[in-house]
Amino acid sequence: KAGVTQTPRYLIKTRGQQVTLSCSPISGHRSVSWYQQTPGQGLQFLFEYFSETQRNKGNFPGRFSGRQFSNSRSEMNVSTLELGDSALYLCASSQGGGGPYNEQFFGPGTRLTVL
Amino acid sequence: AQKVTQAQTEISVVEKEDVTLDCVYETRDTTYYLFWYKQPPSGELVFLIRRNSFDEQNEISGRYSWNFQKSTSSFNFTITASQVVDSAVYFCALSGSTGANSKLTFGKGITLSVRP
Repeated sequence: KAGVTQTPRYLIKTRGQQVTLSCSPISGHRSVSWYQQTPGQGLQFLFEYFSETQRNKGNFPGRFSGRQFSNSRSEMNVSTLELGDSALYLCASSQGGGGPYNEQFFGPGTRLTVL
Repeated sequence: AQKVTQAQTEISVVEKEDVTLDCVYETRDTTYYLFWYKQPPSGELVFLIRRNSFDEQNEISGRYSWNFQKSTSSFNFTITASQVVDSAVYFCALSGSTGANSKLTFGKGITLSVRP
Protein backbone atom coordinates (compact mmCIF):
# COMPACT_ATOMS: atom_id res chain seq x y z
CA LYS A 1 0.00 0.00 0.00
CA ALA A 2 1.14 3.50 -0.72
CA GLY A 3 1.76 5.65 2.32
CA VAL A 4 0.38 9.04 3.20
CA THR A 5 1.37 11.66 0.66
CA GLN A 6 1.51 15.39 1.17
CA THR A 7 1.92 18.13 -1.38
CA PRO A 8 3.75 20.35 -1.73
CA ARG A 9 6.75 19.37 0.35
CA TYR A 10 8.04 22.92 0.67
CA LEU A 11 6.36 26.29 0.45
CA ILE A 12 7.53 29.85 0.86
CA LYS A 13 4.90 32.53 1.33
CA THR A 14 4.78 36.10 2.56
CA ARG A 15 2.76 37.54 5.39
CA GLY A 16 -0.87 38.14 4.55
CA GLN A 17 -1.04 35.50 1.84
CA GLN A 18 -3.03 32.32 2.09
CA VAL A 19 -1.92 28.76 1.51
CA THR A 20 -3.53 25.38 0.82
CA LEU A 21 -1.87 22.10 1.71
CA SER A 22 -2.99 18.73 0.46
CA CYS A 23 -2.94 15.26 2.00
CA SER A 24 -3.82 11.92 0.45
CA PRO A 25 -4.37 9.20 3.07
CA ILE A 26 -3.59 5.53 2.85
CA SER A 27 -6.14 3.72 0.72
CA GLY A 28 -9.10 2.65 2.85
CA HIS A 29 -8.39 5.12 5.64
CA ARG A 30 -11.29 7.43 6.38
CA SER A 31 -9.73 9.69 9.00
CA VAL A 32 -7.24 12.43 8.29
CA SER A 33 -5.66 14.50 11.04
CA TRP A 34 -3.45 17.55 10.75
CA TYR A 35 -0.68 18.58 13.12
CA GLN A 36 1.57 21.61 13.29
CA GLN A 37 5.15 21.16 14.45
CA THR A 38 7.26 24.11 15.57
CA PRO A 39 10.44 24.22 17.64
CA GLY A 40 8.72 26.19 20.39
CA GLN A 41 5.34 24.49 20.67
CA GLY A 42 6.21 21.01 19.47
CA LEU A 43 3.57 18.88 17.80
CA GLN A 44 0.09 20.31 18.14
CA PHE A 45 -3.18 18.91 16.86
CA LEU A 46 -5.03 21.10 14.38
CA PHE A 47 -8.11 19.11 13.38
CA GLU A 48 -9.39 15.75 12.26
CA TYR A 49 -11.75 14.89 9.46
CA PHE A 50 -13.68 11.66 9.26
CA SER A 51 -16.05 10.85 6.41
CA GLU A 52 -15.98 14.47 5.20
CA THR A 53 -16.92 15.87 8.63
CA GLN A 54 -14.72 17.66 11.09
CA ARG A 55 -14.73 15.40 14.14
CA ASN A 56 -12.10 17.03 16.31
CA LYS A 57 -10.59 20.45 16.52
CA GLY A 58 -7.53 21.78 18.30
CA ASN A 59 -6.87 25.20 19.72
CA PHE A 60 -6.03 27.20 16.64
CA PRO A 61 -7.55 30.43 15.32
CA GLY A 62 -10.17 30.43 12.62
CA ARG A 63 -7.52 31.28 10.01
CA PHE A 64 -6.80 27.56 9.99
CA SER A 65 -9.45 25.53 8.24
CA GLY A 66 -9.73 22.25 6.44
CA ARG A 67 -11.96 19.97 4.50
CA GLN A 68 -12.16 16.41 3.37
CA PHE A 69 -13.40 15.09 0.08
CA SER A 70 -15.44 11.99 -0.64
CA ASN A 71 -12.27 10.09 -1.56
CA SER A 72 -10.87 10.94 1.91
CA ARG A 73 -8.26 13.31 0.55
CA SER A 74 -7.96 16.37 2.72
CA GLU A 75 -6.83 19.94 2.36
CA MET A 76 -5.99 22.49 4.98
CA ASN A 77 -5.99 26.19 4.38
CA VAL A 78 -4.32 28.98 6.29
CA SER A 79 -5.45 32.49 5.50
CA THR A 80 -3.72 35.78 6.30
CA LEU A 81 -0.42 34.10 7.02
CA GLU A 82 1.67 35.27 9.97
CA LEU A 83 5.36 34.73 10.62
CA GLY A 84 4.44 32.36 13.44
CA ASP A 85 2.72 30.04 10.99
CA SER A 86 6.10 28.90 9.74
CA ALA A 87 6.15 25.23 10.64
CA LEU A 88 6.16 21.65 9.49
CA TYR A 89 2.58 20.60 8.82
CA LEU A 90 2.04 16.89 9.20
CA CYS A 91 -0.90 14.90 8.01
CA ALA A 92 -1.82 11.53 9.48
CA SER A 93 -4.35 8.98 8.35
CA SER A 94 -6.08 6.19 10.21
CA GLN A 95 -9.03 3.90 9.72
CA GLY A 96 -10.80 6.18 12.15
CA GLY A 97 -13.06 3.65 13.78
CA GLY A 98 -11.76 4.21 17.28
CA GLY A 99 -9.87 1.86 19.56
CA PRO A 100 -7.00 0.13 17.81
CA TYR A 101 -8.05 1.79 14.59
CA ASN A 102 -6.72 5.04 16.01
CA GLU A 103 -3.25 4.07 14.87
CA GLN A 104 -2.11 7.00 12.79
CA PHE A 105 0.34 6.90 9.93
CA PHE A 106 2.10 10.11 9.07
CA GLY A 107 3.09 11.69 5.81
CA PRO A 108 6.44 13.40 5.17
CA GLY A 109 5.03 16.83 5.96
CA THR A 110 4.89 20.19 4.24
CA ARG A 111 7.50 22.71 5.35
CA LEU A 112 5.90 26.17 5.26
CA THR A 113 8.07 29.25 5.57
CA VAL A 114 6.39 32.63 5.96
CA LEU A 115 8.56 35.64 5.18
CA ALA B 1 -7.22 16.93 29.65
CA GLN B 2 -4.52 14.65 28.38
CA LYS B 3 -0.86 15.40 28.89
CA VAL B 4 2.41 13.71 27.99
CA THR B 5 5.67 14.66 29.66
CA GLN B 6 9.08 13.75 28.33
CA ALA B 7 11.39 15.24 30.93
CA GLN B 8 14.56 14.42 29.01
CA THR B 9 15.20 16.81 26.13
CA GLU B 10 18.52 15.61 24.73
CA ILE B 11 20.48 12.42 25.25
CA SER B 12 23.87 11.65 23.80
CA VAL B 13 25.38 8.17 23.94
CA VAL B 14 28.19 6.29 22.32
CA GLU B 15 27.32 3.52 19.92
CA LYS B 16 26.50 0.18 21.59
CA GLU B 17 25.35 1.81 24.81
CA ASP B 18 21.84 1.11 26.05
CA VAL B 19 19.55 4.11 26.39
CA THR B 20 16.14 4.55 28.02
CA LEU B 21 13.72 7.27 27.02
CA ASP B 22 11.20 8.25 29.68
CA CYS B 23 7.54 9.12 29.22
CA VAL B 24 4.93 10.03 31.81
CA TYR B 25 1.31 10.61 30.87
CA GLU B 26 -1.88 11.97 32.37
CA THR B 27 -5.40 11.07 31.34
CA ARG B 28 -8.81 10.63 32.91
CA ASP B 29 -9.81 7.96 30.42
CA THR B 30 -9.85 4.38 31.62
CA THR B 31 -9.15 3.12 28.12
CA TYR B 32 -6.43 4.82 26.14
CA TYR B 33 -3.53 4.14 23.81
CA LEU B 34 0.12 5.02 24.11
CA PHE B 35 2.53 5.35 21.23
CA TRP B 36 6.16 5.92 20.48
CA TYR B 37 7.14 7.62 17.24
CA LYS B 38 10.58 8.29 15.82
CA GLN B 39 11.32 11.36 13.71
CA PRO B 40 14.58 11.13 11.76
CA PRO B 41 16.10 14.24 10.16
CA SER B 42 13.93 13.69 7.08
CA GLY B 43 10.97 14.82 9.18
CA GLU B 44 8.51 11.97 8.74
CA LEU B 45 7.12 10.49 11.93
CA VAL B 46 7.71 6.75 12.01
CA PHE B 47 5.42 4.61 14.15
CA LEU B 48 7.31 2.34 16.57
CA ILE B 49 4.77 0.85 18.96
CA ARG B 50 1.24 1.12 20.32
CA ARG B 51 0.15 -0.07 23.72
CA ASN B 52 -3.43 -0.36 25.05
CA SER B 53 -4.15 0.76 28.59
CA PHE B 54 -5.47 -2.68 29.51
CA ASP B 55 -2.35 -4.49 28.28
CA GLU B 56 0.57 -3.99 30.62
CA GLN B 57 2.61 -6.79 29.15
CA ASN B 58 5.99 -5.44 28.30
CA GLU B 59 7.56 -6.30 25.03
CA ILE B 60 10.91 -6.75 23.42
CA SER B 61 11.30 -6.37 19.69
CA GLY B 62 14.85 -6.76 18.49
CA ARG B 63 16.88 -3.99 20.08
CA TYR B 64 13.77 -2.17 21.31
CA SER B 65 11.86 -2.82 24.52
CA TRP B 66 9.04 -1.04 26.27
CA ASN B 67 8.08 -0.78 29.92
CA PHE B 68 4.46 0.21 30.52
CA GLN B 69 3.44 0.76 34.16
CA LYS B 70 -0.06 2.07 34.84
CA SER B 71 0.70 2.48 38.55
CA THR B 72 3.20 5.21 37.75
CA SER B 73 1.62 6.35 34.45
CA SER B 74 4.85 5.68 32.65
CA PHE B 75 5.63 4.24 29.26
CA ASN B 76 9.40 4.05 28.86
CA PHE B 77 11.31 2.96 25.79
CA THR B 78 14.75 1.32 25.76
CA ILE B 79 17.15 0.87 22.89
CA THR B 80 19.74 -1.81 23.51
CA ALA B 81 23.13 -1.61 21.83
CA SER B 82 22.35 1.73 20.19
CA GLN B 83 23.46 2.46 16.65
CA VAL B 84 24.19 5.68 14.81
CA VAL B 85 21.02 5.15 12.76
CA ASP B 86 18.99 5.44 15.96
CA SER B 87 19.80 9.15 16.08
CA ALA B 88 16.47 10.93 15.84
CA VAL B 89 13.82 12.70 17.87
CA TYR B 90 11.58 10.30 19.76
CA PHE B 91 8.03 11.24 20.68
CA CYS B 92 5.71 9.62 23.16
CA ALA B 93 2.01 10.17 22.43
CA LEU B 94 -1.38 9.41 23.95
CA SER B 95 -4.84 9.06 22.43
CA GLY B 96 -8.30 8.28 23.71
CA SER B 97 -10.38 5.23 23.02
CA THR B 98 -13.22 6.58 20.95
CA GLY B 99 -13.17 7.70 17.39
CA ALA B 100 -14.06 11.21 18.45
CA ASN B 101 -11.15 11.28 20.86
CA SER B 102 -8.58 9.89 18.50
CA LYS B 103 -6.31 12.91 18.38
CA LEU B 104 -2.75 12.33 19.49
CA THR B 105 -1.31 14.36 22.34
CA PHE B 106 2.46 14.42 22.00
CA GLY B 107 5.27 15.03 24.41
CA LYS B 108 7.93 17.57 23.51
CA GLY B 109 10.25 14.88 22.18
CA ILE B 110 13.70 13.63 23.11
CA THR B 111 16.62 14.22 20.76
CA LEU B 112 18.82 11.17 20.79
CA SER B 113 22.32 11.43 19.37
CA VAL B 114 24.33 8.25 18.99
CA ARG B 115 28.02 8.88 18.39
CA PRO B 116 30.23 6.35 16.66
